[in-house]
Order: sequence, then C-alpha cells, then structure tokens
Amino acid sequence: RKEVEQDPGPFNVPEGATVAFNCTYSNSASQSFFWYRQDCRKEPKLLMSVYSSGNEDGRFTAQLNRASQYISLLIRDSKLSDSATYLCVAMYSSASKIIFGSGTRLSIRP
Amino acid sequence: NAGVTQTPKFQVLKTGQSMTLQCAQDMNHEYMSWYRQDPGMGLRLIHYSVGAGITDQGEVPNGYNVSRSTTEDFPLRLLSAAPSQTSVYFCASAITGGLALGAQFFGPGTRLTVL
Repeated sequence: RKEVEQDPGPFNVPEGATVAFNCTYSNSASQSFFWYRQDCRKEPKLLMSVYSSGNEDGRFTAQLNRASQYISLLIRDSKLSDSATYLCVAMYSSASKIIFGSGTRLSIRP
Repeated sequence: NAGVTQTPKFQVLKTGQSMTLQCAQDMNHEYMSWYRQDPGMGLRLIHYSVGAGITDQGEVPNGYNVSRSTTEDFPLRLLSAAPSQTSVYFCASAITGGLALGAQFFGPGTRLTVL
C-alpha cells in the first residue's frame, strides 16, 4: 500500500463547478501536509499548506482529518486555468520523509 | 532571482554511461533535494542535503551520488546509467526549519532517457 494515495482521476468538470478530491495517508506520524499543483510537463508548484483547522486561499479550501487520515482540496468556481494535476504531500519530522502522492488529474471544460 | 535552475533539460544516454545533472539555486536555501518522477509513481526522493557538506539518502538512492560543496549547487551523478533510470528528474530547494521543508521550490526538470 502506498503511504500517500490519491485517485488519479481524471476529474472532468464544467467551468464554474465546485470540485473536491481527497488524499489518504497511511502513517499516523505524518506531521504536516501540503497541496502542490503540476501543469503538464512542468515542475510542481506549492499551492497551499494544510492546517489542522482547515484553511482557505481564495477559491481553494484545504482540510485535514487526522482521525480518518486524509486531506482534501476543494476548488470553488473552477476556471479553465485550474486544469492541472494536484499532488498531495505528507511530511514527517525527518527531512527524509517527504512523501508525494502520484496526483489527481483535473480537467475543466468550457 | 532565477530560483532553481537545472541543466540539461533533455538528455539521452546509453546503458553504462555516466553523467551529472546540474542544479543550482539563488535563494540561499539550506535544504536541497533530488526527486525522480515516473508515471503512476509520484515523486520519489533520491538524495537530499540540509547544508553544504551534508548529504543523505532518500527513498531511492541506488545508482546515484550527490555532493554539496556550496549552498548554491547540488549536482546529481548517475554512475552507470540503466534503462530503469529513464525518468524526469527534479531538483528542489527549501528553507530549512522543521515543517517548512514541505514547502519546496522546484526546478524545471531534466528529462532523461537511457537506451
């Protein structure tokens, strides 16, 4: 079982829709979590950190559920430019334990 | 600021050849790392460094060497290339300091094919 698992998608939604996807992690020692965005054939870029209390950045909301060991990303009023692969990341206290999920592909259609 | 730069962008090697992938950053980050990205596998950590002169292994270090003589540079050496090392390689850097390591800046990647 992978330490960080994501539904690969693709999620295909119309512009303006709300879309959400989850990421599960298996190691309860994970201490911090992040969402990255990766455009096709480009490098990953940090989208947002995920705080225990949940956090929002514009149209994006991230949530952490430690009891069920998952994090989520909600995108409201989706734009064509949101089309990308979204990677979740779990990190432990050691610098060697930064685990990336394999990504969820999102496609926004006009 | 150039951020994190990587050279070359593309490379084709024959089995058994060696080469060095270059990575440099101008953000004065102490932490630097190398990942490989394969379809369906996500990014996997090869080696990392928390400062000049300090390196350590990540999840998939076999077949790769690194050194960190300066804060800015973190080259990755393939000792004897194998087809299994065909991948996209990303270098990243971050501010050292606990959980801030999760917020990493990535270079544009090197696409390596080993025949």
